[in-house]
Amino acid sequence: EPEVTQTPSHQVTQMGQEVILRCVPISNHLYFYWYRQILGQKVEFLVSFYNNEISEKSEIFDDQFSVERPDGSNFTLKIRSTKLEDSAMYFCASIRDRAPLNSGNTIYFGEGSWLTVV
Amino acid sequence: KNQVEQSPQSLIILEGKNCTLQCNYTVSPFSNLRWYKQDTGRGPVSLTIMTFSENTKSNGRYTATLDADTKQSSLHITASQLSDSASYICVVSAGQAGTALIFGKGTTLSVSS
Repeated sequence: EPEVTQTPSHQVTQMGQEVILRCVPISNHLYFYWYRQILGQKVEFLVSFYNNEISEKSEIFDDQFSVERPDGSNFTLKIRSTKLEDSAMYFCASIRDRAPLNSGNTIYFGEGSWLTVV
Repeated sequence: KNQVEQSPQSLIILEGKNCTLQCNYTVSPFSNLRWYKQDTGRGPVSLTIMTFSENTKSNGRYTATLDADTKQSSLHITASQLSDSASYICVVSAGQAGTALIFGKGTTLSVSS
């Protein structure tokens, strides 16, 4: 079973610090996503990424957030200056095809990175 | 506004019993609907995916139905096991390219012995 791997599994950071969450998507996948889930709330879309650029982003994904694929395998989410309300589980996901969601292909989620901002 | 509503919010059943979870959506344009299982503190795991033309999709003891006319879906779990205890999330893909995923809040299922 292919899997998306994320690191770190848990990170505690002080407010105002920069955080980088890392993801290794499944190797032949082309679309990548970041989602977050605040404790007790539903999963929220942050950003989708294809062909080395952002294809779509939500209103949550403001200037404090950025994504990149630095080396062709890792996919990172950077939060420049963390706020208390950034505390959440962040999920990376990937999917194989170029037009992934219309075709009904499976989206694979990682196990998440739990970020606590203090 | 695109929304996905799930009911009940939580459910407790005895091991071996069946249950049905509901999902109503107001998403346009509709692309497809997915059910995910999420264990506490873990990432969501896909159970079923249904496109517009599919009415039923099964995955072992999980059977999902879709009525695109009434914009309703259900997830039926038969012969429940303790390991079925988890949150079940309905997710609808929206937009022309289907890149917008609209998540429901999930139904928390507890299976007891």
